[in-house]
Amino acid sequence: GESVGLHLPTLSVQEGDNSIINCAYSNSASDYFIWYKQESGKGPQFIIDIRSNMDKRQGQRVTVLLNKTVKHLSLQIAATQPGDSAVYFCAENIEGSYIPTFGRGTSLIVHP
Amino acid sequence: GAGVSQSPRYKVAKRGQDVALRCDPISGHVSLFWYQQALGQGPEFLTYFQNEAQLDKSGLPSDRFFAERPEGSVSTLKIQRTQQEDSAVYLCASSPDYGGITYEQYFGPGTRLTVT
Repeated sequence: GESVGLHLPTLSVQEGDNSIINCAYSNSASDYFIWYKQESGKGPQFIIDIRSNMDKRQGQRVTVLLNKTVKHLSLQIAATQPGDSAVYFCAENIEGSYIPTFGRGTSLIVHP
Repeated sequence: GAGVSQSPRYKVAKRGQDVALRCDPISGHVSLFWYQQALGQGPEFLTYFQNEAQLDKSGLPSDRFFAERPEGSVSTLKIQRTQQEDSAVYLCASSPDYGGITYEQYFGPGTRLTVT
C-alpha cells in the first residue's frame, strides 16, 4: 500500500507486482520531464524522460505517463524486482532552462 | 566507462571550518551542476557551469558558498565558515549537452557533509 511518512511517501509492493509512482509537477510551462532512481548512498540515476508533446513513453519495464491537464506524471514499473527498491524522483524543466526542479521523491520498497 | 566521481565521500567539519568538495565530471562533458540534497528531499540546484564559465549561481544559499571550474573539467565547491544548516549531501552532475537537446544529467555519488 501507499503511505506518507515523516520524510517520504512510501510504496510497498511484492516482487513481481506492477508499481505505479506518481508525481504532481508545479509549473505549467515545464516541457521536459525526467524520472530518476536514487539508491542509498548513490546519486540519482536517469530512468526515462518525456517531452510535453507526448503523453506516454515506454522503456524497458518502465512506462511514463504525462497528463498535462492536471499536471501529473506517473512512472509504471512492470514486474517489480527487489533491485528496484530505491527512492524515485521526478524532475521538470521549463523550456529553455537547463535547471531541473526535483519533486519530493517516493520510496519504493519491494518485498521478495 | 568512468562516471562522475566526487571526493571526499564523507566530510565532518566543526562549525566555522572551511571545506572544499571536489567533482570530477565525465570527460568531455560541457555542463556541470552542483546540488544540495537534504535528508528525505530532492536535490536542489546550487550552481551551473558551461565549460569554465559559471553561468548561474542563483541557488547558492549565501556568500559563504563558492564554486569554481577553472579549466572546464574538475570543479570545486567551497563552503566557508560552515554552519550546522550546511549539513547535507552535495551532489555533482555533468551533461554532454548545453541543455538544448537533452537535459539528462549524470550524477556522482555525492559528498555527505556533517557540520558539528
